[in-house]
Amino acid sequence: QVQLQESGPGLVKASQTLSLSCTVSGGSISSGRYYWNWIRQHPGKGLEWIGSMYYSGSTYYSPSLKSRVTISVDTNNQFSLILTSVTDADTAVYYCARGVGVAAPQRFDYWGQGTLVTVSS
Amino acid sequence: DIQMTQSPSSLSASVGDRVTISCQASQDISYSLNWYQQKPGKAPKLLIYAASYLNAGVPSRFSGSGSGTDFTFTISSLQPEDFATYYCQQYDNLPPTFGQGTKLEIK
Repeated sequence: QVQLQESGPGLVKASQTLSLSCTVSGGSISSGRYYWNWIRQHPGKGLEWIGSMYYSGSTYYSPSLKSRVTISVDTNNQFSLILTSVTDADTAVYYCARGVGVAAPQRFDYWGQGTLVTVSS
Repeated sequence: DIQMTQSPSSLSASVGDRVTISCQASQDISYSLNWYQQKPGKAPKLLIYAASYLNAGVPSRFSGSGSGTDFTFTISSLQPEDFATYYCQQYDNLPPTFGQGTKLEIK
């Protein structure tokens, strides 16, 4: 059974950098076939896809966030999200999720529990 | 980005009711449409993929249909555990985009 778990600071100061990690268990990030994603949800709002990485290192980012986002593989079967120059608009619950698809993430079949990140001014 | 519009935004129903939620894409997305269920404080759960395929372990009372720009999600007989918010999501083009959600409440 694949499990994902987000970790990182719950509070980030405005203009600084948000950094989160996702630990994957029950499967290897480097085994191929899957995309590893970050998705966020603003308080009381809908879901927004941030970006994705494939085991080969290929990355895909939302155009609206592309200039501020980096998703990369860490050690110990983890992948990370870095979001620079944060503002109040980046306050959200951040989820990591496994994506299944051909050539791009299509459906998200396993999700972490989510972590709330609040940007303080 | 492809815009996904769900209707209604909220819905009140009773246990045993048949419920239908609609999702419309801003352009033709063929069958590239998934449905998720989200309960308060929890991550979304994949229910339906590719418009009509039931994800593993999902009860058969859930179903999906449609293609092109118009899609439908149906619960044939509401159970108490089905009260939640439901989202559609397209994957025909990057970025994947979600509908705004439909909150299903107990009448």
